[in-house]
Amino acid sequence: SSDLTQPPSVSVSPGQTARITCSGDDFPEQYSYWYQQKAGQAPKLIIYKDNARPSGIPERFSGSTSGTTVTLTISGVQAEDEADYYCQSADSRDNHVVFGGGTKLTVL
Amino acid sequence: QVHLQESGPGLVKPSETLSLTCTVSGASISSFYWSWVRQPPGKGLEWIGYMFSRGSSNYNPSLKGRATISEDPSKNQFSLQLTAMTAADTAVYYCAKYDEDPESDALDVWGQGTPVSVSS
Repeated sequence: SSDLTQPPSVSVSPGQTARITCSGDDFPEQYSYWYQQKAGQAPKLIIYKDNARPSGIPERFSGSTSGTTVTLTISGVQAEDEADYYCQSADSRDNHVVFGGGTKLTVL
Repeated sequence: QVHLQESGPGLVKPSETLSLTCTVSGASISSFYWSWVRQPPGKGLEWIGYMFSRGSSNYNPSLKGRATISEDPSKNQFSLQLTAMTAADTAVYYCAKYDEDPESDALDVWGQGTPVSVSS
């Protein structure tokens, strides 16, 4: 399975735009997914199939792809967005799920 | 509204087998793929494997054949067994449901997680 590489941390001020990247050899052929995990909570799906938002996820969360890198963009960051964010994909050959190492988003 | 709840021992001894159960409400386990994911303290997420009703399953090769995911349709539950536990298996264990879209590998519903420690 392909490894997924994320930056360990990203910091932004409230109201700014945060961009979290995830690189992997299986992109763009395989879809990407993003999860938000707040302290002490289970992960929560926020983006699926590269750029779709589940019901209830605010529009400020968006996903995009460019070659072997996918990006989670959070526009107008709010204090409540402070969390760990994980990208995910699945290996096309064996359907094994792979997670990125996670990015800690700090809202200054 | 689909809801998942993990249950099992919080502490196991080295070399023993861990058994965890995920109780599903709001959906039939016969209708979706189901997964286990774990998270060691202070670390990232690790996919353990998935199952689909009537025997289809797939596992993370890093576990070297120690994991088995099975179902109990009569109780609408699925379970994880992980053999030969070591301290490296200490983690919070989550059960999760796959998206019903066959093109999607999203885990769209998660349990709250159950912590498991390995210690003598």
